[in-house]
Formats: sequence, C-alpha cells, structure tokens
Amino acid sequence: EMRLLESGGDVVQPGGSLRLSCTASGFPLSKSVLAWVRQAPGKGLEWVSTISGVDAAVHYADSVKGRFTISADNSKNTVYLQMDSLRDEDAAIYYCANEGHSSGHCGSFDPWGRGTLVTVSS
Amino acid sequence: DIQMTQSPSTLSASVGDRVTITCRASQSITTWLAWYQQKPGKAPKSLIYKASTLESGVPSRFSGSGYGTEFTLTISSLQPDDFATYYCQQYDTYSPTFGQGTKVEI
Repeated sequence: EMRLLESGGDVVQPGGSLRLSCTASGFPLSKSVLAWVRQAPGKGLEWVSTISGVDAAVHYADSVKGRFTISADNSKNTVYLQMDSLRDEDAAIYYCANEGHSSGHCGSFDPWGRGTLVTVSS
Repeated sequence: DIQMTQSPSTLSASVGDRVTITCRASQSITTWLAWYQQKPGKAPKSLIYKASTLESGVPSRFSGSGYGTEFTLTISSLQPDDFATYYCQQYDTYSPTFGQGTKVEI
C-alpha cells in the first residue's frame, strides 16, 4: 500500500525558515512524482511544488518561487520542502501527494499524506 | 494559470438526493480533470481522474463527465458518508489548480 508521511511542521516567525519532510512507503520514489499541496485554515487547496524522482525535474507555484526549494533523497525515499523567507500567508497545512495519473505535464494526486501544520506568527 | 470555478459553493441536500456539482475551466483542459472529497480534519481523497474514471474503491454512485471547459461530478444517491467538501483540479499544465470547493451539507 502506498503511504506518505509528512513531518517538520512548526511555529515559525515571519521571515524565518522551516524544512518539511515527506517519507514514502510502499513504492519507490525513484519511479514517482511527488508534490506539496497546502491548505490555509478554512480555505481551499493550493499546489505548491512538484519533484520527479525519475529525473529530478522541479516545478513551483509563482507564490513560492525563489523562497521554497523542493528536493528528494531517493535513498531515503523522502522528499523535502525547504521554506525560507516565510510570510503570514504561508501558514497552512502542507500535504504531500503522489501524482497518480499524469497528463504528461502534471498529474492528479493520489494518495495524500495526513499533512503537517505550519504556523507563521510573531 | 488556468482558473477553475466550481458551483455552487454550498449545496444543501438530503440522503437519497441526486447531487450535481459543476466545475468550469478558464480554458480548455480536454479531460485532464480530477475530483476530490475532503472531510473536516482529513486529507483530500481522490475520487475521479481524467474527468470520468473512478479511482479504485470509489463507490459507483459517484460519476464524472465533461470535456474542454465544463465538467460535472454527480452523486446519484447521496449517502450519509458523502457529506463533505468536493474540489475539482485541472492537470493540463505544469501549474495544477483547484476549484474553490463545494460543501455538501444537510
């Protein structure tokens, strides 16, 4: 069974940094594409970033480009999201999700992890 | 980015009702559309991909249709477990985007 487990969420001050982790089990990251999707409190879903475990290709939403960095360690079957220069509007639950079905550009997401909470507050 | 607009935002229904949610894309996405169900405090769950294909294990009362810019999610007979928020998502481009969600409530 494919499973994703996020960790690393915490309370951080505006301007601060945080690194999230997503560990996959039941499938090899080297053959998969994983994404981070966030959800601010009481709001909808927003795609953040994607990385391919196959060729290391990465993509970012404009709202995080230049501040967030996604990376993968295939030997640990883990994807990371380094978040720098955090803003109030980055506060959210961050979900890790597998691209289950691809159009060739990106995909639908299945399964999802349970999420990790990032709070940005002074 | 492609904008996704869902309607209605909130839907009041009863057990046994037929429910339809609409999702419109700002430009054609052919059939690169997914639907998700999210319950309070839980992660989203994938229901449908490629506009009309059910994920494994999803009850057959759920169905999806559409092409281009207009899509629908239909629940043929609403069950107590179906009260949740539903999101559509396009994956035609490198920047996937979601609709704002439709809350199905009693």
